[in-house]
Parts: sequence; structure tokens; C-alpha cells
Amino acid sequence: EAEVAQSPRYKITEKSQAVAFWCDPISGHATLYWYRQILGQGPELLVQFQDESVVDDSQLPKDRFSAERLKGVDSTLKIQPAELGDSAMYLCASSLPVMNTEAFFGQGTRLTVV
Amino acid sequence: AQRVTQPEKLLSVFKGAPVELKCNYSYSGSPELFWYVQYSRQRLQLLLRHISRESIKGFTADLNKGETSFHLKKPFAQEEDSAMYYCALVRNRASGSRLTFGEGTQLTVNP
Repeated sequence: EAEVAQSPRYKITEKSQAVAFWCDPISGHATLYWYRQILGQGPELLVQFQDESVVDDSQLPKDRFSAERLKGVDSTLKIQPAELGDSAMYLCASSLPVMNTEAFFGQGTRLTVV
Repeated sequence: AQRVTQPEKLLSVFKGAPVELKCNYSYSGSPELFWYVQYSRQRLQLLLRHISRESIKGFTADLNKGETSFHLKKPFAQEEDSAMYYCALVRNRASGSRLTFGEGTQLTVNP
């Protein structure tokens, strides 16, 4: 069964360092999402892509976060510099580009900033 | 702005008992509502969506637009139902499947 792949599963980084996460969506899914989930809270959308274009990045802290999906397939989310408050689970999801379709989630990357 | 509220962070019931996980939303338009579930050590996955009007694993959820609620119910809870449950909404057609989540309810079904 096709799944959304994310790497790494766990990442520990020091404050002020750069960190990057990778996501490979389900083949054929044009829409890709990055969510951040702080412990004890629900996931919050950071950025949504339609193919290689950003549809919504209104909640992305653009001073330190960046996201790209250059060829409209896999995607990278980067944080530079990392701050203690960035410690969270970063989830990637993908879906077909239609409303009410199921979003499929990856296992997530657990980031700890020390 | 849209908002999803799940008033109970923790819910504990005994096997065979009825269970209801509450979800309320605020949005001026006509959103689409979902329940997602995360079992231990597994990824977040769709449980059901209101537009399908289906029952999955014995769970049902009815959208009440007057009360802006989408509570999840099951008449007889099973131990394997223990998981984290998230209520979520999609604002409109242009949002695709862009989800706004509640904070989640951890359900524990005791033997």
C-alpha cells in the first residue's frame, strides 16, 4: 500500500543550527501539506503546495522557515536558525487535488531543539 | 477564522460502554467535517467524514449545524478503540483538504 514517506524520523539539533526535513508523497498526489504538531495540541498547517506552487503559507514563520517542492513531487522543509520553541512533530500529508478527499499522513519527524 | 474545539483531552470508558467524543466548530460558512484517529505508534489516518454518512468500525458522527457540533459516537466501545481522536474541518472548496484540527481527545477503553 502506498504511503507518505518522511525522513528523518527523529532529529536533535542545537539552537541556532539549520535543520531540514524531507517528504515523499503518495505517487499522483498533487497536493502536499506540512503540519506542525506541538505536544498536547492538534496539527497546525504550515504550508500547502499544489504541484510545485505554494497555495497557502500564511502560517509559515518565513523569517526562519522555508519550504520547497521544486519538481512537484517530493518536498523539503527547512528551519534556519532553529529555536527551542520549534521542538515539535513535523507531519507531511498528501492528497488528490479535490475537496473532501482523504489526506494521507506520514509518520512525522520528531524535532528536539536543545 | 475557523476553530475546532474538543472539550475533553482525556476520556476513559469500560469495554462495552457507549462512548461519545465531543467536537464543536466555529465557522461562518459551510465546512466539511472529519474525524481522524491515531493509534499507538501508527500514523494519523482518516476515520470518517460527514459527507459520506458512513459508519466506520462502529463509529458514527452526525453534523448538527444548529449546534455547530460533530460528535463521534459508538454504542459499545472496544479495547482496540483506544487511541487519540482528532476532529477537523475543511473550510471550502478552494482549501482542498486543508485541515483545521482540534486539540484531540485521548480515548482509553478499559477491560
